Amino acid sequence: QKEVEQNSGPLSVPEGAIASLNCTYSDRVSQSFFWYRQYSGKSPELIMSIYSNGDKEDGRFTAQLNKASQYVSLLIRDSQPSDSATYLCAVEYSSASKIIFGSGTRLSIRP
Amino acid sequence: GAGVSQSPSNKVTEKGKDVELRCDPISGHTALYWYRQRLGQGLEFLIYFQGNSAPDKSGLPSDRFSAERTGESVSTLTIQRTQQEDSAVYLCASSLDRNTIYFGEGSWLTVV
Repeated sequence: QKEVEQNSGPLSVPEGAIASLNCTYSDRVSQSFFWYRQYSGKSPELIMSIYSNGDKEDGRFTAQLNKASQYVSLLIRDSQPSDSATYLCAVEYSSASKIIFGSGTRLSIRP
Repeated sequence: GAGVSQSPSNKVTEKGKDVELRCDPISGHTALYWYRQRLGQGLEFLIYFQGNSAPDKSGLPSDRFSAERTGESVSTLTIQRTQQEDSAVYLCASSLDRNTIYFGEGSWLTVV
């Protein structure tokens, strides 16, 4: 089992709709979770971090964490063409203190 | 500096040559990471430095890869006897609190 798993996509969503990105992880003691956005040819940039079960909202973005199910998701409301990118889920493995990334989900917002 | 600085930004090398990639983290950041990203792939963890602790080298793919860090400053990633499969972008990141990490622009390595 991979440490952090994501559906590679591509996920195609119409402009204005909600995009839902999912991630599962294998380390039960992980405490810190992140979503990064990466445009083609660019470095990843942090969108959101989440540490507690439940939802965390920041503008059009909502991160959801369920530690019991080892599941973290990112919702993007009112999707815009500029949201088209690869979204990377990252997990801090507390046993080792290193941050492991999933392989990313390619999101395409169609006008 | 204001951000994580990496050099060179682009490197083309012949198969079998050694290459050295440099990372200058954000001042004061105690944690430093190296990742590899092949074209169209995700980020592959290579190595993690935290302060003066022994580095976590568990992601280094072979003994041709090594990395050093001087205190809480500059880090170098060395690839010996490069192979074509080493072609990738090598991303360095640093962090103050082991949580939010900030990436450099990467070093794009092409082995021909």
